[in-house]
Amino acid sequence: AAGVIQSPRHLIKEKRETATLKCYPIPRHDTVYWYQQGPGQDPQFLISFYEKMQSDKGSIPDRFSAQQFSDYHSELNMSSLELGDSALYFCASSSDMGLAAYNEQFFGPGTRLTVL
Amino acid sequence: GENVEQHPSTLSVQEGDSAVIKCTYSDSASNYFPWYKQELGKRPQLIIDIRSNVGEKKDQRIAVTLNKTAKHFSLHITETQPEDSAVYFCAASGNAGGTSYGKLTFGQGTILTVHP
Repeated sequence: AAGVIQSPRHLIKEKRETATLKCYPIPRHDTVYWYQQGPGQDPQFLISFYEKMQSDKGSIPDRFSAQQFSDYHSELNMSSLELGDSALYFCASSSDMGLAAYNEQFFGPGTRLTVL
Repeated sequence: GENVEQHPSTLSVQEGDSAVIKCTYSDSASNYFPWYKQELGKRPQLIIDIRSNVGEKKDQRIAVTLNKTAKHFSLHITETQPEDSAVYFCAASGNAGGTSYGKLTFGQGTILTVHP
């Protein structure tokens, strides 16, 4: 079965650079979530999209932005990178059909971002 | 917003013993409670979930109980095996109705070690 795809899997950037993370949800899934997981920490919700519209926003810095495109893939754009942005970034997708919150979120393999 | 507390932070058991991990949540509107297993550097994998209209759910060696009045839920693993060693996260999410508000709020995680 198709799973959530994330690219790149690993990314190394310098401070103050920009990074773009991509997420391709499971086909026919209409909702995408982004989570950030620092070393030894739990995943923290950043932002979500339902049917290409932002549906919720968490602890996402102003330096970050995201969107969901017409083919349902999503991109997380990160600018002015800081050392503290080094983390695993997970994308998850679900098929909410507008009902919300009752369906399993399928996680992608993650992108490991290292900021030097 | 939602706050999820998880205990213990580490748990060490002998193979064959049972393991119990407990979580409490703060938002009475939360109605979906998944448990994830995460191995180092890998994605969170759903192992069991429970919805607010159910008090208990079991899947082979894994069971989850939910007490909505007390706002706590627990994971029970019986006959533990060394391959159960991992970090376990509880999570909670709620339905604001009409749109996808399914963001997960995670507990702090429990490092489970099963000794042969």
